[in-house]
Formats: sequence, structure tokens, C-alpha cells
Amino acid sequence: AQKITQTQPGMFVQEKEAVTLDCTYDTSDQSYGLFWYKQPSSGEMIFLIYQGSYDEQNATEGRYSLNFQKARKSANLVISASQLGDSAMYFCAMREYTGGFKTIFGAGTRLFVKA
Amino acid sequence: EAGVAQSPRYKIIEKRQSVAFWCNPISGHATLYWYQQILGQGPKLLIQFQNNGVVDDSQLPKDRFSAERLKGVDSTLKIQPAKLEDSAVYLCASSLVTGNTGELFFGEGSRLTVL
Repeated sequence: AQKITQTQPGMFVQEKEAVTLDCTYDTSDQSYGLFWYKQPSSGEMIFLIYQGSYDEQNATEGRYSLNFQKARKSANLVISASQLGDSAMYFCAMREYTGGFKTIFGAGTRLFVKA
Repeated sequence: EAGVAQSPRYKIIEKRQSVAFWCNPISGHATLYWYQQILGQGPKLLIQFQNNGVVDDSQLPKDRFSAERLKGVDSTLKIQPAKLEDSAVYLCASSLVTGNTGELFFGEGSRLTVL
């Protein structure tokens, strides 16, 4: 069964607008972490934002915020004021303890920012 | 602070040949990961080390893939013999041992093409 589901293979957004990238996860652990990474066309994976399962406040990092809805097991990434440089693949990931902390990734969403 | 180093960046081989990839993690990072990323997919964890011990290798095709982490620092991932479906980017990552809050730091990846 998929542990991390990203249902949007591709998304378009107009420059300066906000966009939400969806992520749902599945775990039986009570303690886990959720991450978003960005992968530009150059290939490097860049950490964007982290949310702990016990954090009551949604995480924010500059223009990135994580809309965490624990009961729904969703961890959507919101990018405000999109820039052309935001065009990239975005991966949702979960870190859970299964005999050792392990981080697994979703299939990703490709974001295209239009000028 | 130096990042995660990987080499080679690119490798083209014919099927049934062998190949090795090298990774040097960030100094002080006890956990090292090898991920396989096939074009258009999310990274798939192949093997995870904690110092020089294996934490998880459940998705490593052990009939052809092997990995070691000597002295708990750098690591080598080997494929022998290679198959066409091994064409992918092999990503090395490292993290501090801090439980769920440990984000992964990635290298630039080693792109393998098997002909």
C-alpha cells in the first residue's frame, strides 16, 4: 500500500499566485515527521519544510507553509507568491520508526510557474 | 560546511557490466542512505546505514546490489551485473541521528545509464 500519496502529477500556477500541492500519508505510528523537498531540473533535492506529528501549529518557512490535518492524514504544501524559480518537482516525505527511522517519498508533483 | 559528495556524476555501461558509486556524507552525520530514483518517480530507499551497521536493506536487490560503509564514514554502492532497469539516478543522503526531526541532506546524485 502507498504510504505517501501525491495525486497531482503536474500543476500550473501563475506567477505571484499561491498554489497548494497535495499530500496524504498512511502510518500507524503516533510519532512521525513530514517533510517537503524540492527537486529542480538540475537534480539536487532541497529540503523545504518539516512538520512533526505532535506539532500543534502548522509549519512555515518563508513562502512555504504546511497545512497539516492530522485526522485526515494530509500534509499539503502551500507556496505563496509563486516565482518562476519555483518550477520544479516537489516531493512529500514521511519519516517513521519501523525498526529504525526511515524516510519514504511520494511520487512527486511537477509544478510549472507561468509568467 | 561541505555537503554530501558523490561520484561519478554520470556513468554509462552495458548490461551485465558492473558499476560502483561512492558517497561521502556530511561530517558528523551518522546515518547514510542510498536511494534509487527512476525517471519520473520518487526516490526509493535501497539501504540505510547507522554508523557502519545496516538499519534497513529490505528493498535492495541483493542478488545484484551490494553496499558497504567502512568505518562509518563514506560508502560504496555496487551493481553487478547491471540490468537495463537499473538505469536511474542513485542519490546518497545523510542525516544526524535526531529522530523524526532529521531532514536529509542529499548529494547531487549519480546518473546511471545501462545500454
